[in-house]
Amino acid sequence: GENVEQHPSTLSVQEGDSAVIKCTYSDSASNYFPWYKQELGKGPQLIIDIRSNVGEKKDQRIAVTLNKTAKHFSLHITETQPEDSAVYFCAASNDYKLSFGAGTTVTVRA
Amino acid sequence: DSGVTQTPKHLITATGQRVTLRCSPRSGDLSVYWYQQSLDQGLQFLIQYYNGEERAKGNILERFSAQQFPDLHSELNLSSLELGDSALYFCASSAQGRDNSPLHFGNGTRLTVT
Repeated sequence: GENVEQHPSTLSVQEGDSAVIKCTYSDSASNYFPWYKQELGKGPQLIIDIRSNVGEKKDQRIAVTLNKTAKHFSLHITETQPEDSAVYFCAASNDYKLSFGAGTTVTVRA
Repeated sequence: DSGVTQTPKHLITATGQRVTLRCSPRSGDLSVYWYQQSLDQGLQFLIQYYNGEERAKGNILERFSAQQFPDLHSELNLSSLELGDSALYFCASSAQGRDNSPLHFGNGTRLTVT
């Protein structure tokens, strides 16, 4: 089955700097790659997603890139702010099963 | 607000007991998913329903069961509870039954087994 690995597990950045989280997947049939943000006491919230026919997608300060050949995708957060502090999960789906990475705890230092 | 409603928010019970967690999906969504999140753990998929029918099963214990009703709300039943069942339980919904459509999560039910 699909195996999604996510790195790093924790990330501390200075406010205003960029944060990058990387994920790799094993199933070449995976075609949908969402990213979720989970704040303390809340459920995961979809923040951006990308499909396999697109190499990059951007939404304000967040962007996701996908390299199908290497089977990896990344989340980029620019100009980080304190409210970006949260746990971020990547996921990969092959139509039939959505598999999550283990999560990255991002802390933005003021 | 995701539109997915989970009740109760908190549940404290003793070992050996049985509890029922409830989920109302977003309006129009036909598929409901249940996930378990233990302390410092990721999201473990338990089970998925689509329009009342079981669609997929994950790492769900035999002591756990779920169903989706005609009005599309879902319930997760946990029985013979053990200390290790203490966790956050999330429900998510999507418009379709395929896993490449966006999932929208509720805020979870925190279960504490003492």
